[in-house]
Amino acid sequence: DGGITQSPKYLFRKEGQNVTLSCEQNLNHDAMYWYRQDPGQGLRLIYYSQIVNDFQKGDIAEGYSVSREKKESFPLTVTSAQKNPTAFYLCASSIRGTGELFFGEGSRLTVL
Amino acid sequence: SQKIEQNSEALNIQEGKTATLTCNYTNYSPAYLQWYRQDPGRGPVFLLLIRENEKEKRKERLKVTFDTTLKQSLFHITASQPADSATYLCALERGNNAGNMLTFGGGTRLMVKP
Repeated sequence: DGGITQSPKYLFRKEGQNVTLSCEQNLNHDAMYWYRQDPGQGLRLIYYSQIVNDFQKGDIAEGYSVSREKKESFPLTVTSAQKNPTAFYLCASSIRGTGELFFGEGSRLTVL
Repeated sequence: SQKIEQNSEALNIQEGKTATLTCNYTNYSPAYLQWYRQDPGRGPVFLLLIRENEKEKRKERLKVTFDTTLKQSLFHITASQPADSATYLCALERGNNAGNMLTFGGGTRLMVKP
């Protein structure tokens, strides 16, 4: 089955540690995205990539970093510089130029 | 930047009734608008896309309208079922050659009681 796989589903981190969230897709989509969701709020765009080896900052990129070395993979690193990292993180992909987003099941990060 | 308003209070309706959810936006009118369903702890799932030149779109029990004058979209679920209980997100295309960039509303939680 084609889709997007995020891992881990749950992650706990101590303050000051970097963590990397995995996102893999086998839909052959060019574009991939990372969103953050906080309770009662809309999804906020962290980073996006329209093509391999290229990515752009979204609305809340500070404290995050990404890479896009392969079409299938778009990992997100939450660095110690992110002041409020506890959130639900969603990865998505789309065919370049169309609107529909396909989402993964999300990764819930908790900073202890 | 675009601002999207969805009713943050939960909508409670009886099974069999029609649920109507509202999405209001400010500033520019997007080329298209989308609706997603999100279950607790899961990723959103795409439901419908409606373009600015379309007044209405239907898919099975779902109907979406798009009024660019009022800057509003209405999302209807007819003959609602308890399985329709979820949070529904409205998302707008950002424009300015932003590709697939979307701005999401905070969502409205729908509870359908048997």
